[in-house]
Amino acid sequence: GNSVTQMEGPVTLSEEAFLTINCTYTATGYPSLFWYVQYPGEGLQLLLKATKADDKGSNKGFEATYRKETTSFHLEKGSVQVSDSAVYFCALSEGTSGTYKYIFGTGTRLKVLA
Amino acid sequence: DAGVIQSPRHEVTEMGQEVTLRCKPISGHNSLFWYRQTMMRGLELLIYFNNNVPIDDSGMPEDRFSAKMPNASFSTLKIQPSEPRDSAVYFCASRHRDETGGQPQHFGDGTRLSIL
Repeated sequence: GNSVTQMEGPVTLSEEAFLTINCTYTATGYPSLFWYVQYPGEGLQLLLKATKADDKGSNKGFEATYRKETTSFHLEKGSVQVSDSAVYFCALSEGTSGTYKYIFGTGTRLKVLA
Repeated sequence: DAGVIQSPRHEVTEMGQEVTLRCKPISGHNSLFWYRQTMMRGLELLIYFNNNVPIDDSGMPEDRFSAKMPNASFSTLKIQPSEPRDSAVYFCASRHRDETGGQPQHFGDGTRLSIL
């Protein structure tokens, strides 16, 4: 079946450092891919998405490119802030029209130190 | 716009009691999802509905769990009887009709459930 694999956390960085969180997937066809972020005590929020190969999703300085050759969707940010500390989830969408559901990765905790 | 609204935010109850979690999806969304999040198992999909009809309940742990969606603006997840291992954060999410798989889900802030 389809699956999503994320790098283990926690990832600890100093403020203004470069961030990469790896995400690879296994799927039939070309699913839509998503990154969600979860701050303490809150639900998941959509960070960005890409719906086809070579698409780049971007939001709030975060970027991820849909790479079908490597089946990857790595999350990057050029300069992290303390406020980016959160748990990040990679997900893919599987199903057919009207029945799509997500397959989530296990989440990667990011800690940014001042 | 109001987001997905869940209640209660926190619930503490004793083992054996019935627990009911509630969710109001975003108006106009036609899909609703219930998830459970724990440290050990991560985020698990329990059940989801399209147009108020359950589509996939394969994630419901056992018969003690049941979910209903009587109309487009309300859903409940019930645990009876509750057990300590049911302690978790339960999330509800909703989404517009999705023809291509690209529609995002919108999550509520969750109900933190503790069974003593």
